[in-house]
Amino acid sequence: GQNIDQPTEMTATEGAIVQINCTYQTSGFNGLFWYQQHAGEAPTFLSYNVLDGLEEKGRFSSFLSRSKGYSYLLLKELQMKDSASYLCAVRDSNYQLIWGAGTKLIIKP
Amino acid sequence: IAGITQAPTSQILAAGRRMTLRCTQDMRHNAMYWYRQDLGLGLRLIHYSNTAGTTGKGEVPDGYSVSRANTDDFPLTLASAVPSQTSVYFCASSILAGDTGELFFGEGSRLTVL
Repeated sequence: GQNIDQPTEMTATEGAIVQINCTYQTSGFNGLFWYQQHAGEAPTFLSYNVLDGLEEKGRFSSFLSRSKGYSYLLLKELQMKDSASYLCAVRDSNYQLIWGAGTKLIIKP
Repeated sequence: IAGITQAPTSQILAAGRRMTLRCTQDMRHNAMYWYRQDLGLGLRLIHYSNTAGTTGKGEVPDGYSVSRANTDDFPLTLASAVPSQTSVYFCASSILAGDTGELFFGEGSRLTVL
């Protein structure tokens, strides 16, 4: 079967750095996405990786290793507004998205 | 403001009743999707449509139906609601070809079936 694993919850301190990991086992691979979802709101797109390596976008970076079935989202200079759930999703060989259950990130002052 | 609109935002429904969740987008995206989101689970695809006039089944289609009469609208119907359909429903759209396929989500419809 297809599976996306990410930690259920993480806690970090304002101003610090946090890394959220995602491992996947899917039927084929056509890209990996990270979305942010604040409580009670819709998911919003953060990043897309289809080739190995690091993609940097401001305070957020996303890394992909296709051979290891692994990605991480790195958040730097954490702000209170970064408190949210972070969803990892992989597009499989049928171009359907397989979603992880999300990682709830709690930022403490 | 361009985007994707869902209605209603919240609804309490008696079991056995019929319910249609509405979804409209004005971005001219060719693909549209309905997901449900339940605590502890990832988003699960109910139905999708790659273009007007076509629809397909997702991971959890039973008890739901959709139609895509035009590019903008993609309603989701529960013919006879059951308590297990209590969930938050998200409609989404994307451009299918030529880009990352980023999804744009509506604000969600919270449905409670009693």
